[in-house]
Amino acid sequence: GDSVTQMEGPVTLSEEAFLTINCTYTATGYPSLFWYVQYPGEGLQLLLKATKADDKGSNKGFEATYRKETTSFHLEKGSVQVSDSAVYFCTLKIFNDYKLSFGAGTTVTVRA
Amino acid sequence: EAGVTQSPTHLIKTRGQQATLRCSPISGHTSVYWYQQALGLGLQFLLWYDEGEERNRGNFPPRFSGRQFPNYSSELNVNALELEDSALYLCASSLDRGANQPQHFGDGTRLSIL
Repeated sequence: GDSVTQMEGPVTLSEEAFLTINCTYTATGYPSLFWYVQYPGEGLQLLLKATKADDKGSNKGFEATYRKETTSFHLEKGSVQVSDSAVYFCTLKIFNDYKLSFGAGTTVTVRA
Repeated sequence: EAGVTQSPTHLIKTRGQQATLRCSPISGHTSVYWYQQALGLGLQFLLWYDEGEERNRGNFPPRFSGRQFPNYSSELNVNALELEDSALYLCASSLDRGANQPQHFGDGTRLSIL
């Protein structure tokens, strides 16, 4: 079946550090890939997306590139802030499918 | 543009009771999805409604049910509540079922079973 595996947390960083969260996927079709972020006490927000191989999604300083050859969609940010503390979910959706398949989530804490 | 809205924010029930959770999608969105986020279990797909019809459901018992109204808002009903139903229930909407359409989430209803 379709699934997403992302690096386990928690991840603790200092402000201005570089962040990478690894994500790999298994899919029977051609997925669209998303990163969602969940801030404390809130629902999920779409952070970025990529719909085909080699697409790069970017938003709020975060980037992720859809790598079909390695079935990966790693999330990166060059300089994190305290406000980036949240849980990050790597997610896929198969064409014409109805639901999102989520990774387990990675908790990121950024310390001042 | 107003986002997905869910009510109530918190709901406290006891075992055996019934709970009703409500969701209003983004204007123009016809698909509504329900997910359960339980501690230690991650995000699990519950139900999908599109154009007023239930299109599919996840691996949950029949006491989880719902409906979608003509204005595309939706209700999730959980009957005979059990302790393990305690979770954050998230509603999402999308423009249609297309693969490239992201789902937009509300802030959720936290259901606590005492």
